[in-house]
Amino acid sequence: EAGVAQSPRYKIIEKRQSVAFWCNPISGHATLYWYQQILGQGPKLLIQFQNNGVVDDSQLPKDRFSAERLKGVDSTLKIQPAKLEDSAVYLCASSLDETGGRELFFGEGSRLTVL
Amino acid sequence: DAKTTQPTSMDCAEGRAANLPCNHSTISGNEYVYWYRQIHSQGPQYIIHGLKNNETNEMASLIITEDRKSSTLILPHATLRDTAVYYCIVRGTGGSYIPTFGRGTSLIVHP
Repeated sequence: EAGVAQSPRYKIIEKRQSVAFWCNPISGHATLYWYQQILGQGPKLLIQFQNNGVVDDSQLPKDRFSAERLKGVDSTLKIQPAKLEDSAVYLCASSLDETGGRELFFGEGSRLTVL
Repeated sequence: DAKTTQPTSMDCAEGRAANLPCNHSTISGNEYVYWYRQIHSQGPQYIIHGLKNNETNEMASLIITEDRKSSTLILPHATLRDTAVYYCIVRGTGGSYIPTFGRGTSLIVHP
């Protein structure tokens, strides 16, 4: 079974530039999550989708971050314009159960460095 | 959702059992205890979960106290590859549950 795919693995940009990350969840998984992990900290949830609807985006900085999940499958996370403090690993995860009762499967993450 | 408390770091000798504690004193009746681990430069990996009873799989054992206010993840024979950050989270099974990770426990297995 293929895992959660993310790209790119690494990205370096200057502040005020834009960047987009892509995630392809495990086939059939209803719920998709984007987490931000700053060095030395645990993953922080940015947004949670159930199929193609948003369950929670309370911690997403909406003035610069946006995310969408097309047709309830792939998802993109965009940052525009980027700030220095956005340097982090962006993790995508998916889970099978629509009720959230199953384990999360994570991708390897996309490491963003903002200069 | 219940919050968890874990020690910041622990160490263990290779071949010995690693016992990682987690406190979740505000857990409610329908919330499961999940454990994940994160090896350097990788995404978190699911290990095991439980509700009331102790659980065991090929990776680890999970011991949940009778009052469910704490649990212990046991790696019976730790190897160097078990060096990672271990996260304990609690999660329900209904509604808009938000899986929340803390800082976890950094486990170092030494030769």
